[in-house]
Amino acid sequence: AQSVTQLDSQVPVFEEAPVELRCNYSSPVSVYLFWYVQYPNQGLQLLLKYLSGSTLVKGINGFEAEFNKSQTSFHLRKPSVHISDTAEYFCAVSKYNFNKFYFGSGTKLNVKP
Amino acid sequence: GAGVSQSPSNKVTEKGKDVELRCDPISGHTALYWYRQSLGQGLEFLIYFQGNSAPDKSGLPSDRFSAERTGGSVSTLTIQRTQQEDSAVYLCASSLGLVSSYNEQFFGPGTRLTVL
Repeated sequence: AQSVTQLDSQVPVFEEAPVELRCNYSSPVSVYLFWYVQYPNQGLQLLLKYLSGSTLVKGINGFEAEFNKSQTSFHLRKPSVHISDTAEYFCAVSKYNFNKFYFGSGTKLNVKP
Repeated sequence: GAGVSQSPSNKVTEKGKDVELRCDPISGHTALYWYRQSLGQGLEFLIYFQGNSAPDKSGLPSDRFSAERTGGSVSTLTIQRTQQEDSAVYLCASSLGLVSSYNEQFFGPGTRLTVL
C-alpha cells in the first residue's frame, strides 16, 4: 500500500519569510499528488494537484509544489507567507484510478508576525 | 446546498452503542468518499461510492463498520458496537465523477465522534 510521510508536524515561520513543507511518498509508480489546506474551523480545500505534465505545479494563494519522481517527493513552497496562511496542510497521493487516496499526517504552519 | 454537509457535527456515545453518520454530497456528484481522521494522524481512507456502488470496502477498519448510499445521493456510515478507538473526526467528500483533471474532491466539515 502507498504511504505518505510529512516529516514536520509543525512549522513555525515569520511573516514574509519563505516556507517549504515536505512530503514524501512510498511508491513512485503511476501516482497523482495533491496538497490540501485546512484553515481553523473549516473543511479541507484543494490547494494544488499534480496529474501529469510540468513537474512544477502552481496552486492558489501563491503556493507551488514540485514533483520529483526520483526522490518520490512533492514538497510545497511559498516564497513569502502571510498570517492568513496559518493552517494545517495535508499531502495526499492517489493511484492512477483515483479510487483510493492516502493522506499524510499533516503539517501545521504557524505564521508569526 | 452549496457544499457537502454532514450530520451530526458532534456525537458523543457510550461504548457498545451503534451510531449513524450522515453525508449529503453536492447535488449531482456521483462519487462520494468517507475518511477518518484520528487525533494526530492523517486522513484514513475508508470507502468510496461511485453512484450507489462501493467497489472497494477494504479500507473499512472492521466488520463493525458499514456504509450505504441510496438514490445516488445521501450516504450513511454506520458503526456498530462502538469502541473508544473509534473516536475520531469522520469526513465525507464528493466529486462530480472520480477525481481527475476536471473533477475535484470537495470535503464536508466532518462529524466529531467521541466514544466514552
